[in-house]
Amino acid sequence: AQKVTQAQTEISVVEKEDVTLDCVYETRDTTYYLFWYKQPPSGELVFLIRRNSFDEQNEISGRYSWNFQKSTSSFNFTITASQVVDSAVYFCALLPGFGNEKLTFGTGTRLTIIP
Amino acid sequence: DAGVIQSPRHEVTEMGQEVTLRCKPISGHDYLFWYRQTMMRGLELLIYFNNNVPIDDSGMPEDRFSAKMPNASFSTLKIQPSEPRDSAVYFCASTLGGVWQPQHFGDGTRLSIL
Repeated sequence: AQKVTQAQTEISVVEKEDVTLDCVYETRDTTYYLFWYKQPPSGELVFLIRRNSFDEQNEISGRYSWNFQKSTSSFNFTITASQVVDSAVYFCALLPGFGNEKLTFGTGTRLTIIP
Repeated sequence: DAGVIQSPRHEVTEMGQEVTLRCKPISGHDYLFWYRQTMMRGLELLIYFNNNVPIDDSGMPEDRFSAKMPNASFSTLKIQPSEPRDSAVYFCASTLGGVWQPQHFGDGTRLSIL
């Protein structure tokens, strides 16, 4: 069975602080994809990043960075120097290997950046 | 470029009525997904299509739900008869090339069944 756990239900930080959102996944597949999506207050889901199971390189995009560690089955997301516009619900998602092609979402982490 | 377009944005109707949600995927995309988001169950995949053909509908809750994709630019999700527990936000998403590709989501339809 596939599972994504986002243990942090809600996080609040003061603007300009760094914040890390945790994501732990479970799958028996050796080939899989991991995603992060952002859901701002307006409601739509916005794609942030995709990682496949064979690529453990960390990724940085501006103030955003992602740490993928297969040894701990984690795919954590860090926002550096947070801004009010980062306030949203963030979802981690897992797509297992071929033959089981359903995207499984975590329950999300609601991030509030306090001005 | 136009994104995924869903209509209506909001729907309020009485229990027992038929509800039809509509989705126009991004032009050229060959995969279309319907999701439901609730506080209790989070984001759930209901059904997805590839080249207008339903591939996996195992997430459709029951026979009251049906989805169609008559052509590459239009899909509907129907609930008949509707029940209060169907109240949720329904998202449509599309992508090109495979389910492993990033999905582009519409703004969602917020459905309230009274």
